[in-house]
Amino acid sequence: AQSVTQLGSHVSVSEGALVLLRCNYSSSVPPYLFWYVQYPNQGLQLLLKYTSAATLVKGINGFEAEFKKSETSFHLTKPSAHMSDAAEYFCAISGGSNYKLTFGKGTLLTVNP
Amino acid sequence: KAGVTQTPRYLIKTRGQQVTLSCSPISGHRSVSWYQQTPGQGLQFLFEYFSETQRNKGNFPGRFSGRQFSNSRSEMNVSTLELGDSALYLCASSWTGTNQPQHFGDGTRLSIL
Repeated sequence: AQSVTQLGSHVSVSEGALVLLRCNYSSSVPPYLFWYVQYPNQGLQLLLKYTSAATLVKGINGFEAEFKKSETSFHLTKPSAHMSDAAEYFCAISGGSNYKLTFGKGTLLTVNP
Repeated sequence: KAGVTQTPRYLIKTRGQQVTLSCSPISGHRSVSWYQQTPGQGLQFLFEYFSETQRNKGNFPGRFSGRQFSNSRSEMNVSTLELGDSALYLCASSWTGTNQPQHFGDGTRLSIL
């Protein structure tokens, strides 16, 4: 079985500050990990993916995430927050042959001017 | 390249009715998955289809069903609607569905009165 835990349902940062969204996973098979972003009234947009090629993954819009097996973590970071980053962020996991994504509960990011 | 298209975007039904939602995947994608998103339960996997075959099913009652056509388009059906079925239903597609990023549509917002 696989699961994902996102620490913090709501994170608030100032514009220009570091963004850190936490994700820890549990998996009995090698995991594939993803971060998605959802803006109001829209579907999910893929930010980045970890597929075992490199532990530091760069995504769109200046986001990156580092896979740490020893800590079972895949935290999402961005050096400088922008107002347009305000949205809900989801960490997701897949692996083996279950043909599905298992999502965390999501973290709502608020960016203050 | 056109993205995942879901129709309709909004739907209002009453208890006891049934509903059919449609999803057209990205051209060339053969795997289609469906997810239910609610404020209380978050994103939950419904089922996944590949080449017209259901390969995995989530923990939902039999009132929820789906199918996939030879052109990879998919439909999901919910019969005997209940108030708790009110949700955003998201469709996602990928090439093979095996540990790949899934590309999401904007969803169908279903409201049950």
